[in-house]
Amino acid sequence: ILNVEQSPQSLHVQEGDSTNFTCSFPSSNFYALHWYRWETAKSPEALFVMTLNGDEKKKGRISATLNTKEGYSYLYIKGSQPEDSATYLCAPTQGGSEKLVFGKGTKLTVNP
Amino acid sequence: DAGVTQSPTHLIKTRGQQVTLRCSPKSGHDTVSWYQQALGQGPQFIFQYYEEEERQRGNFPDRFSGHQYPNYSSELNVNALLLGDSALYLCASSWDNYGYTFGSGTRLTVV
Repeated sequence: ILNVEQSPQSLHVQEGDSTNFTCSFPSSNFYALHWYRWETAKSPEALFVMTLNGDEKKKGRISATLNTKEGYSYLYIKGSQPEDSATYLCAPTQGGSEKLVFGKGTKLTVNP
Repeated sequence: DAGVTQSPTHLIKTRGQQVTLRCSPKSGHDTVSWYQQALGQGPQFIFQYYEEEERQRGNFPDRFSGHQYPNYSSELNVNALLLGDSALYLCASSWDNYGYTFGSGTRLTVV
């Protein structure tokens, strides 16, 4: 069973703050790491797919890094805005498997 | 361009009944995966369909079955519903298993 841990479970920040959260996963047989952003009552939105150790991806104010050897990824949000409020999910996949294995997510609330 | 469409959005069923959930994939996508999200948990993989065949299955009982049609749309069927089957059911489509597009889900309540 692939165990995926995300921390913190929830986070409250003020508008303009920068923040980051962690996704930990088993490093063995790693294939790819997916990050999703999920707003209430909407569908999960793909942010990044990362495959290589040391990968860094950026989309606007959001960026992510990947360490496949130690089994973790960080998601950073610079200058948080209220519209960034959502649950952020990570999901690694393993070689030979089609399934995304999700963590429980980090719920971010950005207060104006 | 329509994304992934799921129907219905909400559903209430009684224990022991059967339910069918439907998913239309994003245009150009040929693979459909189904996930169950119970309260307080991340989505859990149920199964994936490709070329009308179940390609991979998660740790769900045989009460959960599916189908994929030639137009790539898919159904999730759950028989003999239990209270514990109450959850949000998500459908995700992809073309190369690299990037997945999710629907907004069907909320199933079993009473």
